[in-house]
Formats: sequence, C-alpha cells, structure tokens
Amino acid sequence: GQNIDQPTEMTATEGAIVQINCTYQTSGFNGLFWYQQHAGEAPTFLSYNVLDGLEEKGRFSSFLSRSKGYSYLLLKELQMKDSASYLCAVLDFRSNDYKLSFGAGTTVTVRA
Amino acid sequence: ETGVTQSPTHLIKTRGQQVTLRCSSQSGHNTVSWYQQALGQGPQFIFQYYREEENGRGNFPPRFSGLQFPNYSSELNVNALELDDSALYLCASSYTNWTGDYEQYFGPGTRLTVT
Repeated sequence: GQNIDQPTEMTATEGAIVQINCTYQTSGFNGLFWYQQHAGEAPTFLSYNVLDGLEEKGRFSSFLSRSKGYSYLLLKELQMKDSASYLCAVLDFRSNDYKLSFGAGTTVTVRA
Repeated sequence: ETGVTQSPTHLIKTRGQQVTLRCSSQSGHNTVSWYQQALGQGPQFIFQYYREEENGRGNFPPRFSGLQFPNYSSELNVNALELDDSALYLCASSYTNWTGDYEQYFGPGTRLTVT
C-alpha cells in the first residue's frame, strides 16, 4: 500500500512563496500528481511527475526525487485565489492493476 | 470546467438502502475512476474502469460496485448503506494510452448523506 504524508496547514502572505512537501512509500511507483481543490469544488490537475527533477508551469513548480520518496509543490507570487487544499497523489500501477492514492491534503491560506 | 458531469448533486438515503450514482465522462476519454472523499480528507480510490472492465480497486468492500458503459459513462452502486458512507463521491475521467499520460479530470461530485 501507500503511505502519503503532507502537512495539514500552511499560511503565507500574498506575493510570497510557499513550498508544500509530500513524502510517500509505495511498492510500485508510476508517478506523482498534485491537485488543487477549493472548498466545495472538485480537485483540478496541477502537475504530474514521473522522472526525477523539477517541472515548472508558470507560478507553480513540482519536484520529484524517487530515491527519497519525496516531492514538493512550489507556489510562487501567491495570490488570494491560491487559498485552497493541495493534494499529493501517488500512482501505483502494476500488472494492469491501477491504484491512485491521495494524501489528506494541505490547506494553504493566503493572507493580504 | 472539465466536461465531466455527475448526478445527482446531492442525495439523502437511509441506512440499509441502496444508491446509484452516475457519471458522464469527458468526450474522448476511455477510463473512469471513482473516489470517496470524507470531510477534511483526501479522496480515497474506490475503483477504476477501462473499456468497461475494472482494472484497479482500493480498499472498499464488495457492496461498492460499478459499471462502465460502451459510451464510457459510468455508475457507482453502493448496497446496504452505512452511516460512514456519507461523503462526497467524485468521478474522474481520463484517456489511457499506456504511455504515461494519466491526467484525470474530476466531476463536481455527488454529496451523499446517509441517515
């Protein structure tokens, strides 16, 4: 199975940078996702990492180290609309058996 | 907006009853996954269907079952409802081509309350 850990809450100021860490343990790793979920809404896709390194998409970047079982999501130039829950999810896909496991989410609050 | 729709939006059932939730995938997608999300928690994977067959299942009992239809729409059925089944049920569709593109698009969810 998968154990996925991420901080429960983080607070930052508008315009600042926040880094959300995620550690995981899995027996058949096939990639790691980050999703954003605003209260009362469905999760929306932010990034997918399957190889080590940094993937940058505008203000959001995601990093993966497979050997360390570690990823982070970096949010730059924070805006008030970035206040949301950020979910780390690990894909385990072996022998055509697909499992996507989510962490509990990190609630980010952006203050003016 | 992802193009994934779910019905109904909200539903109230009594313990012991059965419920069917529906999902219409985004056009062109051949894979659908179902998740249960309790308040304040991340989504929990229930199962996934690819081309009408189940190809992955999380830690949910057999009373959670599903179907995927030829048009790739899907149903989640839950029998013998329990109070702990109260949650947001999310459907996510994707196009699986086995080359590593696994981006999923979530629907707005069905809020199920069991009393």
